[in-house]
Amino acid sequence: DADVTQTPRNRITKTGKRIMLECSQTKGHDRMYWYRQDPGLGLRLIYYSFDVKDINKGEISDGYSVSRQAQAKFSLSLESAIPNQTALYFCATSDPDPSGDNEQFFGPGTRLTVL
Amino acid sequence: DQQVKQNSPSLSVQEGRISILNCDYTNSMFDYFLWYKKYPAEGPTFLISISSIKDKNEDGRFTVFLNKSAKHLSLHIVPSQPGDSAVYFCAAREYGNKLVFGAGTILRVKS
Repeated sequence: DADVTQTPRNRITKTGKRIMLECSQTKGHDRMYWYRQDPGLGLRLIYYSFDVKDINKGEISDGYSVSRQAQAKFSLSLESAIPNQTALYFCATSDPDPSGDNEQFFGPGTRLTVL
Repeated sequence: DQQVKQNSPSLSVQEGRISILNCDYTNSMFDYFLWYKKYPAEGPTFLISISSIKDKNEDGRFTVFLNKSAKHLSLHIVPSQPGDSAVYFCAAREYGNKLVFGAGTILRVKS
């Protein structure tokens, strides 16, 4: 079984709809992240959480919100989806290791299309 | 303004030859650099990293070189294999343990 899972894997929705993307992990990591990938721009950080009570905005948080329901679960919501939120979304986890490189473990991604 | 840049969108290499992927950065406070590999329909997977206090790290066929004065790092794959064909992302760790990613380079290894 995959360590980091994302649901759904693909979603097509319409402008103005509310969408929730979910992420679960079995790695026991405290830290979780949401990224989006766009062609030519790489992965950009939307939100991150270093523990259940800690939520932080990333580089591109406008139009998104998150909820950390438990150590293992981190969901991303688009309150009112717009077409330029069409992208590939990745969830990731990591272990706190100040002396290490902060290797992050990624889920398989959710392809979201907003019409 | 992108802090981590991968200026080559794609690279094509013959099987058995060396693949060299490049990455430039602007923030001198980055303390770790990582390379990730991504296949279609999968999430990125960690490949190799290097601390900012080192200039080389090697793991099998993969070697990462860091030139701090030039703010440049490169990933060497020798010998290249068809299974290495993927998108390669360079990433840098900044304060607060966050990673900043480059745009990626598509590597195609021809057999």
